[in-house]
Amino acid sequence: DAGVIQSPRHEVTEMGQEVTLRCKPISGHDYLFWYRQTMMRGLELLIYFNNNVPIDDSGMPEDRFSAKMPNASFSTLKIQPSEPRDSAVYFCASSFGGQGTQYFGPGTRLLVL
Amino acid sequence: QQQVKQSPQSLIVQKGGISIINCAYENTAFDYFPWYQQFPGKGPALLIAIRPDVSEKKEGRFTISFNKSAKQFSLHIMDSQPGDSATYFCAVNTNAGKSTFGDGTTLTVKP
Repeated sequence: DAGVIQSPRHEVTEMGQEVTLRCKPISGHDYLFWYRQTMMRGLELLIYFNNNVPIDDSGMPEDRFSAKMPNASFSTLKIQPSEPRDSAVYFCASSFGGQGTQYFGPGTRLLVL
Repeated sequence: QQQVKQSPQSLIVQKGGISIINCAYENTAFDYFPWYQQFPGKGPALLIAIRPDVSEKKEGRFTISFNKSAKQFSLHIMDSQPGDSATYFCAVNTNAGKSTFGDGTTLTVKP
């Protein structure tokens, strides 16, 4: 298996632009997680899905952030409009079962100018 | 409110020494306690994990010690090697799968 796949790996955009991050979980995994990592705030859980249904989005910072999982093999995290404070590394992770090992993708490094 | 506190923030150990990282949590609703290892430019990877019904788990050079009454757990790395130099995160999970991570410990093992 190729592991969790994220795209793009790097994204540089200007403030106010829409940003879409993509994730393909490991086949057969039923949980998908979106995290954000910054020096100031560490690793934060933004939202997670079970069987494509959002379970907890309490970590989503603002209405500018939205996440979807239209099917078991694809999820997106969208930021619209983006702001410089959104600059961070965004990780997607997947697991089999809520207590299963979470496998992280390589992350998307986002820079908002 | 910070649900998990990790210490120290950074740690320098000589090769062959023991590295110890501690975490304390505030809520008894957690039932899974993993440790993750992260190298620069990579995503975190599960290193070792424990459930609250045991007090210790050992895998190779890595051991988790768990104290349920004190709400604390720690990671011990025996015979630390330069290749162990990385950032380590503890986490606490609810049975619904929600994870909260500690702030991380940057470990440097000097040759």
